[in-house]
Amino acid sequence: DSGVTQTPKHLITATGQRVTLRCSPRSGDLSVYWYQQSLDQGLQFLIQYYNGEERAKGNILERFSAQQFPDLHSELNLSSLELGDSALYFCASSGKTAHSGNTIYFGEGSWLTVV
Amino acid sequence: DAKTTQPNSMESNEEEPVHLPCNHSTISGTDYIHWYRQLPSQGPEYVIHGLTSNVNNRMASLAIAEDRKSSTLILHRATLRDAAVYYCILRRTQGGSEKLVFGKGMKLTVNP
Repeated sequence: DSGVTQTPKHLITATGQRVTLRCSPRSGDLSVYWYQQSLDQGLQFLIQYYNGEERAKGNILERFSAQQFPDLHSELNLSSLELGDSALYFCASSGKTAHSGNTIYFGEGSWLTVV
Repeated sequence: DAKTTQPNSMESNEEEPVHLPCNHSTISGTDYIHWYRQLPSQGPEYVIHGLTSNVNNRMASLAIAEDRKSSTLILHRATLRDAAVYYCILRRTQGGSEKLVFGKGMKLTVNP
């Protein structure tokens, strides 16, 4: 158990809909990362927050947005869903200070299926 | 992002040591070498990381070349549970972010 909690574990929704994925980082971790993994793309970095502020953006679509709340949990909002958005979405968290030597811990992921 | 090169796949036998190589010839002085692994349908799992010196933990050892242009992850006694995709990643703080950038990784098969 990494200590990173993601909900829901599985989600099936229709095209055009909007979903919210939730992540609770490890206790005390200030950084939260979101990744997308689909069969043909591998693990793609989406976005990072550090103590409530956006720190880095990767290959995140404009239809997607995220935020980190004062209690450090994070949400990833996916809207106008398309079939190609079907993927495993991972949240990860790391240390009390932002440092490349910190370990990043991943959650078990949220399976999103768009039909 | 600094690039690493790994074999696409490797095979090993259960209870034997296995050495997983990684080349990173463009590594910079502040890049940390991280190894993660991922079992099917699970989140990536931290294995080990290092900067310059060899590192040991309960899961594995990391041997880093003196010039830091390559490293080797060593699993001392492979088990079936070690069958996974292994990622060798150079991690640096860039633009204020220390995110991990995953490549294609290397699939390890462990034969009983």
